[in-house]
Amino acid sequence: GAGVSQSPSNKVTEKGKDVELRCDPISGHTALYWYRQSLGQGLEFLIYFQGNSAPDKSGLPSDRFSAERTGGSVSTLTIQRTQQEDSAVYLCASSKLGTGNQPQHFGDGTRLSIL
Amino acid sequence: AQKITQTQPGMFVQEKEAVTLDCTYDTSDPSYGLFWYKQPSSGEMIFLIYQGSYDQQNATEGRYSLNFQKARKSANLVISASQLGDSAMYFCAMREGTGNQFYFGTGTSLTVIP
Repeated sequence: GAGVSQSPSNKVTEKGKDVELRCDPISGHTALYWYRQSLGQGLEFLIYFQGNSAPDKSGLPSDRFSAERTGGSVSTLTIQRTQQEDSAVYLCASSKLGTGNQPQHFGDGTRLSIL
Repeated sequence: AQKITQTQPGMFVQEKEAVTLDCTYDTSDPSYGLFWYKQPSSGEMIFLIYQGSYDQQNATEGRYSLNFQKARKSANLVISASQLGDSAMYFCAMREGTGNQFYFGTGTSLTVIP
Protein backbone atom coordinates (compact mmCIF):
# COMPACT_ATOMS: atom_id res chain seq x y z
CA GLY A 1 0.00 0.00 0.00
CA ALA A 2 0.94 3.64 -0.23
CA GLY A 3 0.69 4.47 3.47
CA VAL A 4 3.00 4.13 6.47
CA SER A 5 3.26 0.48 7.43
CA GLN A 6 4.00 -0.70 10.95
CA SER A 7 4.61 -4.20 12.21
CA PRO A 8 3.64 -6.05 14.23
CA SER A 9 0.21 -4.59 14.81
CA ASN A 10 0.11 -6.20 18.25
CA LYS A 11 2.90 -7.48 20.47
CA VAL A 12 2.54 -9.18 23.83
CA THR A 13 5.72 -10.01 25.70
CA GLU A 14 7.00 -10.71 29.17
CA LYS A 15 8.65 -8.12 31.33
CA GLY A 16 12.40 -8.07 30.79
CA LYS A 17 12.32 -9.18 27.16
CA ASP A 18 13.55 -7.04 24.28
CA VAL A 19 11.16 -5.98 21.51
CA GLU A 20 11.66 -4.56 18.04
CA LEU A 21 9.01 -2.49 16.30
CA ARG A 22 9.23 -1.78 12.61
CA CYS A 23 8.12 1.18 10.52
CA ASP A 24 8.13 1.42 6.74
CA PRO A 25 7.47 5.06 5.75
CA ILE A 26 5.84 6.37 2.62
CA SER A 27 8.26 6.21 -0.28
CA GLY A 28 10.05 9.52 -0.76
CA HIS A 29 9.33 10.80 2.72
CA THR A 30 12.59 11.94 4.25
CA ALA A 31 11.31 12.63 7.77
CA LEU A 32 10.31 9.83 10.14
CA TYR A 33 8.96 10.13 13.68
CA TRP A 34 8.21 7.73 16.51
CA TYR A 35 5.60 8.50 19.16
CA ARG A 36 4.17 6.69 22.13
CA GLN A 37 0.51 6.94 23.08
CA SER A 38 -0.71 5.57 26.38
CA LEU A 39 -4.38 4.69 26.77
CA GLY A 40 -6.55 7.79 26.51
CA GLN A 41 -3.56 10.10 26.32
CA GLY A 42 -1.96 12.35 23.75
CA LEU A 43 1.15 11.61 21.74
CA GLU A 44 4.56 11.55 23.38
CA PHE A 45 7.41 12.34 20.99
CA LEU A 46 10.23 9.80 21.06
CA ILE A 47 12.64 10.30 18.17
CA TYR A 48 12.91 11.99 14.78
CA PHE A 49 14.97 11.14 11.68
CA GLN A 50 15.52 13.54 8.80
CA GLY A 51 17.50 12.34 5.80
CA ASN A 52 21.10 11.63 6.70
CA SER A 53 21.20 14.05 9.62
CA ALA A 54 21.80 12.88 13.16
CA PRO A 55 18.47 11.86 14.71
CA ASP A 56 16.76 13.97 17.35
CA LYS A 57 16.63 11.54 20.30
CA SER A 58 15.47 14.08 22.85
CA GLY A 59 12.19 12.29 23.54
CA LEU A 60 13.52 8.84 24.34
CA PRO A 61 12.47 8.15 27.94
CA SER A 62 15.48 6.02 28.93
CA ASP A 63 18.56 4.31 27.53
CA ARG A 64 16.50 1.15 27.13
CA PHE A 65 14.98 2.79 24.07
CA SER A 66 16.86 3.12 20.81
CA ALA A 67 15.99 3.49 17.16
CA GLU A 68 17.72 3.32 13.84
CA ARG A 69 16.82 4.04 10.29
CA THR A 70 18.59 2.07 7.62
CA GLY A 71 19.14 3.48 4.15
CA GLY A 72 16.93 6.45 4.89
CA SER A 73 13.85 4.27 4.75
CA VAL A 74 12.77 1.55 7.19
CA SER A 75 13.13 2.28 10.89
CA THR A 76 13.18 -0.01 13.90
CA LEU A 77 12.44 1.05 17.46
CA THR A 78 14.03 -1.27 20.02
CA ILE A 79 13.04 -1.46 23.66
CA GLN A 80 15.39 -3.48 25.83
CA ARG A 81 14.48 -5.11 29.14
CA THR A 82 10.85 -4.08 28.79
CA GLN A 83 8.91 -2.82 31.79
CA GLN A 84 5.17 -2.77 32.35
CA GLU A 85 5.10 1.00 31.97
CA ASP A 86 6.29 0.52 28.38
CA SER A 87 2.82 -0.81 27.50
CA ALA A 88 1.34 1.61 24.98
CA VAL A 89 0.62 2.11 21.31
CA TYR A 90 3.75 3.07 19.39
CA LEU A 91 2.98 5.22 16.37
CA CYS A 92 5.26 5.96 13.46
CA ALA A 93 4.77 8.88 11.11
CA SER A 94 6.54 10.16 8.04
CA SER A 95 6.46 13.42 6.15
CA LYS A 96 7.78 14.66 2.85
CA LEU A 97 10.10 17.27 4.27
CA GLY A 98 11.40 17.97 7.71
CA THR A 99 10.23 21.56 7.72
CA GLY A 100 7.33 23.66 6.60
CA ASN A 101 3.72 22.82 6.18
CA GLN A 102 4.01 19.15 5.40
CA PRO A 103 1.71 17.09 7.63
CA GLN A 104 2.71 13.83 9.16
CA HIS A 105 1.18 10.64 7.82
CA PHE A 106 0.73 8.02 10.49
CA GLY A 107 0.81 4.25 10.51
CA ASP A 108 -1.78 2.22 12.36
CA GLY A 109 0.58 1.69 15.27
CA THR A 110 1.91 -1.24 17.24
CA ARG A 111 0.00 -2.05 20.42
CA LEU A 112 2.60 -3.26 22.91
CA SER A 113 1.53 -5.10 26.04
CA ILE A 114 4.07 -6.05 28.69
CA LEU A 115 2.93 -8.80 31.05
CA ALA B 1 4.57 25.56 29.84
CA GLN B 2 2.49 23.44 27.54
CA LYS B 3 3.07 24.13 23.89
CA ILE B 4 -0.45 23.05 22.95
CA THR B 5 -3.47 23.20 25.24
CA GLN B 6 -6.80 21.58 24.55
CA THR B 7 -9.10 22.37 27.45
CA GLN B 8 -12.10 20.26 26.43
CA PRO B 9 -11.54 16.61 27.31
CA GLY B 10 -14.98 15.70 25.96
CA MET B 11 -17.59 17.35 23.76
CA PHE B 12 -21.03 16.37 22.56
CA VAL B 13 -22.82 17.69 19.49
CA GLN B 14 -26.12 16.94 17.85
CA GLU B 15 -25.94 15.45 14.40
CA LYS B 16 -26.04 18.15 11.66
CA GLU B 17 -25.01 20.88 14.10
CA ALA B 18 -21.67 22.70 14.08
CA VAL B 19 -19.09 22.26 16.85
CA THR B 20 -15.92 24.13 17.82
CA LEU B 21 -12.95 22.36 19.37
CA ASP B 22 -10.57 24.66 21.19
CA CYS B 23 -6.81 24.80 20.84
CA THR B 24 -4.38 27.36 22.21
CA TYR B 25 -0.65 27.32 21.65
CA ASP B 26 2.48 28.83 23.08
CA THR B 27 5.50 29.78 21.02
CA SER B 28 7.90 32.67 20.62
CA ASP B 29 8.83 31.61 17.10
CA PRO B 30 7.18 33.88 14.51
CA SER B 31 7.08 30.99 12.04
CA TYR B 32 5.00 27.97 12.95
CA GLY B 33 2.36 25.64 11.62
CA LEU B 34 -0.75 24.32 13.27
CA PHE B 35 -2.29 20.96 12.42
CA TRP B 36 -5.43 19.12 13.40
CA TYR B 37 -5.69 15.34 13.40
CA LYS B 38 -8.63 12.99 13.92
CA GLN B 39 -8.19 9.65 15.66
CA PRO B 40 -11.22 7.35 15.43
CA SER B 41 -11.62 4.43 17.81
CA SER B 42 -9.78 2.26 15.28
CA GLY B 43 -6.63 4.18 16.21
CA GLU B 44 -5.30 5.66 12.98
CA MET B 45 -4.33 9.34 12.98
CA ILE B 46 -5.88 11.23 10.09
CA PHE B 47 -4.62 14.66 9.04
CA LEU B 48 -7.48 17.13 8.68
CA ILE B 49 -6.27 20.69 8.19
CA TYR B 50 -3.25 22.99 8.36
CA GLN B 51 -2.80 26.67 9.22
CA GLY B 52 0.48 28.51 8.76
CA SER B 53 1.41 31.41 11.00
CA TYR B 54 1.77 33.74 8.03
CA ASP B 55 -1.44 32.67 6.32
CA GLN B 56 -3.75 35.63 5.91
CA GLN B 57 -6.93 33.61 5.70
CA ASN B 58 -8.42 30.92 7.87
CA ALA B 59 -7.85 27.45 6.46
CA THR B 60 -10.81 25.45 5.21
CA GLU B 61 -11.10 21.85 4.06
CA GLY B 62 -14.61 20.73 3.26
CA ARG B 63 -16.59 20.70 6.52
CA TYR B 64 -13.50 21.59 8.53
CA SER B 65 -12.35 25.15 9.09
CA LEU B 66 -9.90 26.83 11.42
CA ASN B 67 -10.78 29.87 13.47
CA PHE B 68 -7.23 31.25 13.65
CA GLN B 69 -6.77 34.14 16.08
CA LYS B 70 -3.07 34.89 16.06
CA ALA B 71 -3.08 37.55 18.75
CA ARG B 72 -4.87 35.17 21.11
CA LYS B 73 -2.70 32.25 20.00
CA SER B 74 -5.71 30.12 19.32
CA ALA B 75 -6.52 27.81 16.42
CA ASN B 76 -9.95 26.37 17.03
CA LEU B 77 -11.31 23.66 14.73
CA VAL B 78 -14.85 24.14 13.51
CA ILE B 79 -16.72 21.13 12.16
CA SER B 80 -19.90 22.04 10.34
CA ALA B 81 -22.91 19.77 9.77
CA SER B 82 -21.62 17.09 12.15
CA GLN B 83 -21.98 13.47 11.12
CA LEU B 84 -21.98 10.31 13.23
CA GLY B 85 -18.63 9.41 11.66
CA ASP B 86 -17.10 12.52 13.18
CA SER B 87 -17.13 10.86 16.60
CA ALA B 88 -13.43 10.52 17.45
CA MET B 89 -10.52 12.04 19.36
CA TYR B 90 -9.23 15.27 17.86
CA PHE B 91 -5.66 16.43 18.37
CA CYS B 92 -4.20 19.86 17.77
CA ALA B 93 -0.48 19.99 16.98
CA MET B 94 2.13 22.63 16.31
CA ARG B 95 5.44 22.68 14.58
CA GLU B 96 7.79 25.59 15.19
CA GLY B 97 9.66 26.83 12.15
CA THR B 98 13.12 26.10 13.55
CA GLY B 99 12.41 22.73 15.09
CA ASN B 100 11.78 19.15 14.11
CA GLN B 101 9.21 18.25 16.68
CA PHE B 102 5.47 18.28 16.43
CA TYR B 103 3.88 19.17 19.77
CA PHE B 104 0.52 17.57 20.40
CA GLY B 105 -2.27 18.51 22.76
CA THR B 106 -4.00 15.99 24.99
CA GLY B 107 -6.95 15.76 22.65
CA THR B 108 -10.71 16.30 22.73
CA SER B 109 -13.12 13.41 22.51
CA LEU B 110 -16.06 14.35 20.30
CA THR B 111 -19.30 12.40 20.37
CA VAL B 112 -21.96 13.08 17.76
CA ILE B 113 -25.45 12.32 19.00
CA PRO B 114 -28.06 11.11 16.50
